[in-house]
Amino acid sequence: QSVLTQPPSASGTPGQRVTISCSGSSSNIEGNTVNWYQQLPGTAPKLLIYSNNQRPSGVPARFSGSKSGTSASLAISGLQSGDEADYYCAAWDDSLNAVVFGGGTKLTVV
Amino acid sequence: EVQLVESGGGLVQPGGSLRLSCAASGFTFSSYNMNWVRQAPGKGLEWVSYISSSSSAIYYADSVKGRFTISRDNAKNSLDLQMNRLRDEDTAVYYCARDALWGFLALDLWGQGTLVTVSS
Repeated sequence: QSVLTQPPSASGTPGQRVTISCSGSSSNIEGNTVNWYQQLPGTAPKLLIYSNNQRPSGVPARFSGSKSGTSASLAISGLQSGDEADYYCAAWDDSLNAVVFGGGTKLTVV
Repeated sequence: EVQLVESGGGLVQPGGSLRLSCAASGFTFSSYNMNWVRQAPGKGLEWVSYISSSSSAIYYADSVKGRFTISRDNAKNSLDLQMNRLRDEDTAVYYCARDALWGFLALDLWGQGTLVTVSS
């Protein structure tokens, strides 16, 4: 049972826009910034979005993040087959004094 | 090349110990806070531990508190994780990850991971 809640799966067709939600609480998402990671099959995770909505250098503008209250979202526009991966949200939790991850969302491009 | 390389994984019996290491290169290791994150087979990511650049602040996940110890040697550009009293549920790929200088606990550089298997 993860502290942050994500849907286990999401899907879309090439070119479509999809969003992945991440639900938390006042001790994590509401009071701290949210980061998103992409994990392609068989590889280490990669930082995709930091500080709620910032993209590291090299991450395409098709990826965007937002946060409102105790929830955050990752949006992927212009979906590509190469976007098939597991996506994780994460944030610091002030009550646990720990980084908490969502359970992950497996994105399928059909 | 900027990279992190983990080592030390392997097969260990329940109750046993293992020490993981992470060698950093290509960047000023002493300037960065570091983390260990693990992933059980077929499961999601689980944060394990954090150590600040000067080792002044250390945090652990409740699941490993009292059994695991994180440490670093800035002179050797290395990060360690001493794991004692290992349990079956500690079986996972263990990643070391760098905390970006920008953002808050944004892990911008990851190693390839090292597999720890706890089994009799």
